[in-house]
Amino acid sequence: QVQLQQSGPGLVKPSQTLSLTCAISGDSVSSSRAAWNWIRQSPSRGLEWLGRTYYRSKWSSDYAISVKSRIIINADTSKNQFSLQLNSVTPEDTAVYYCVRDSRNICTGGTCFSDWGQGTLVTVSS
Amino acid sequence: QSALTQPASVSGSPGQSITISCTGTTSDVGSYNLVSWYQHHPGKAPKLMIFEINRRPSGVSNRFSGSKSGNTASLTISGLQAEDEADYYCCSYAGNTNWVFGGGTKLTVL
Repeated sequence: QVQLQQSGPGLVKPSQTLSLTCAISGDSVSSSRAAWNWIRQSPSRGLEWLGRTYYRSKWSSDYAISVKSRIIINADTSKNQFSLQLNSVTPEDTAVYYCVRDSRNICTGGTCFSDWGQGTLVTVSS
Repeated sequence: QSALTQPASVSGSPGQSITISCTGTTSDVGSYNLVSWYQHHPGKAPKLMIFEINRRPSGVSNRFSGSKSGNTASLTISGLQAEDEADYYCCSYAGNTNWVFGGGTKLTVL
């Protein structure tokens, strides 16, 4: 059974970079049967898919248009984890951030979000 | 503001059935069979309950079922139990590598 353990600061200043990490146990970040996502939830925007990274002979990432200019999601195979960097944050980026696995062993016909981390509340404030 | 529309709340008594609707557009729910539903007990990790409109992951009770008609997907919970009280969210693929969610429905078991 996969477990996703999130870590990172809960407070970020405006204009700075939000950085979160998701450590994976029970699966490999390099699995060809999984994709690794970040999703956030805020009262104003609800649940919002931010992006994903995955390995299919090479590493690829996809990002939501709303954050595409300032987001990076990448994987660290040596630590079996993946991370989120969101640059130039504003108070609008205040949200609970979730790391989420899309497992093709479960979501066999297409993407669904099969396993979620506990969530990290990140507040953007000076 | 969420892309998919769900009722803010629904309620039912133990043993009854309830249905939660999720209304989208021809760009998301209406075009793809990639609708999923998530149960969220506050403070815990959300849990996948239904994927691809009506498929259940291993371990999810068969009291949970899904359907779709046109631009509206639905989650039905039969034989309501106290442990079903939670927030429920729908999600749909919206094309161009993008997924959209509903605003969530709070289920109260009376």
